[in-house]
Amino acid sequence: GQQVMQIPQYQHVQEGEDFTTYCNSSTTLSNIQWYKQRPGGHPVFLIQLVKSGEVKKQKRLTFQFGEAKKNSSLHITATQTTDVGTYFCAGKTSYDKVIFGPGTSLSVIP
Amino acid sequence: EADIYQTPRYLVIGTGKKITLECSQTMGHDKMYWYQQDPGMELHLIHYSYGVNSTEKGDLSSESTVSRIRTEHFPLTLESARPSHTSQYLCATSPGDEQFFGPGTRLTVL
Repeated sequence: GQQVMQIPQYQHVQEGEDFTTYCNSSTTLSNIQWYKQRPGGHPVFLIQLVKSGEVKKQKRLTFQFGEAKKNSSLHITATQTTDVGTYFCAGKTSYDKVIFGPGTSLSVIP
Repeated sequence: EADIYQTPRYLVIGTGKKITLECSQTMGHDKMYWYQQDPGMELHLIHYSYGVNSTEKGDLSSESTVSRIRTEHFPLTLESARPSHTSQYLCATSPGDEQFFGPGTRLTVL
């Protein structure tokens, strides 16, 4: 079946270091969304990418959608302790379903 | 962000009890979802609805049922709770593809 995978599963970084999580789909996606879930909280929508090769920025966060619309990445520059949480990608498939990836858990060491 | 309410926020209940988890939204979104999530783990889709009188089962086999009689409400019912149902249940609503999550219900079945 259609799957959305994320790597790495866990990432521990020193505060100030950069962080990247990758999202890969087995099929072409119509769009992709990114969410952040703080420990003990609920997922919060961050952004949606629609176009092939699209790049969007939100302050220290950079989101990319691959040319083939099968992969995406989230890059955080100079991590802060407020970036701690689990980052999920979710892709919309050709069957009009949104499938969540398993998430990447980010820990930031002060 | 959409206004999504879930009650109760926390529930501890004995095995065999029937429970209903409430989810309501004030945004008039047609799409609503229920997810099960263990702490720090991935989201498992258990039910979804694309409008009134429309409900579908998700990817995770579940002994729960849902109803969508009104756009605003999407309650989830467990006919007979078991310890394996202990988890967090998240409700989400969507105007399109991006999803907005409620605060969740943390269920413990003894």
